[in-house]
Amino acid sequence: NAGVMQNPRHLVRRRGQEARLRCSPMKGHSHVYWYRQLPEEGLKFMVYLQKENIIDESGMPKERFSAEFPKEGPSILRIQQVVRGDSAAYFCASSPTGWANEKLFFGSGTQLSVL
Amino acid sequence: DQQVKQNSPSLSVQEGRISILNCDYTNSMFDYFLWYKKYPAEGPTFLISISSIKDKNEDGRFTVFLNKSAKHLSLHIVPSQPGDSAVYFCAASGSNDYKLSFGAGTTVTVRA
Repeated sequence: NAGVMQNPRHLVRRRGQEARLRCSPMKGHSHVYWYRQLPEEGLKFMVYLQKENIIDESGMPKERFSAEFPKEGPSILRIQQVVRGDSAAYFCASSPTGWANEKLFFGSGTQLSVL
Repeated sequence: DQQVKQNSPSLSVQEGRISILNCDYTNSMFDYFLWYKKYPAEGPTFLISISSIKDKNEDGRFTVFLNKSAKHLSLHIVPSQPGDSAVYFCAASGSNDYKLSFGAGTTVTVRA
């Protein structure tokens, strides 16, 4: 009965490199969300995906960031040419429906550190 | 713009006493409110929620109160236990919405 699985737990990148964060939702969940937590702040919505579709990416920076949730395999959050300001905890969540009033199940997060 | 605010970054309470966590919101379209609890190195876990049609929801030691006119909600934990030491996030959403707006969190420390 695995929960939401995120990997890696910790990712260190140098400025200009690419970061790939992976998320496998709970079994039976087809709705995936990515949130970012900067130090001393709350979680901020980035993107909402269903299988093969991006539903809302309004919280994601227009450049360098992209997300996908393919038919097979995990959801991927990709950050190209990382900068120090990208250092944060990135949380993935999943739900069986698309409504926020259905509780979200969060993974343990990926802590991205950009040197 | 921070639509959900938790103005107390930390709270220390003695074991057995009541913990009261506060949350304010600015968006009048919000009508569903949730509290999440987070331990270090883990993701947030759902704790309790309340719809705007109610002013109180209780689940065991946890009670959430909603004052819509004041755009304010609070979480009461009684009695507080050492395992309650964590960061608590208040979150809100509108009807038919799928994204949550989170506060910055309140770190609760329960002293033995």
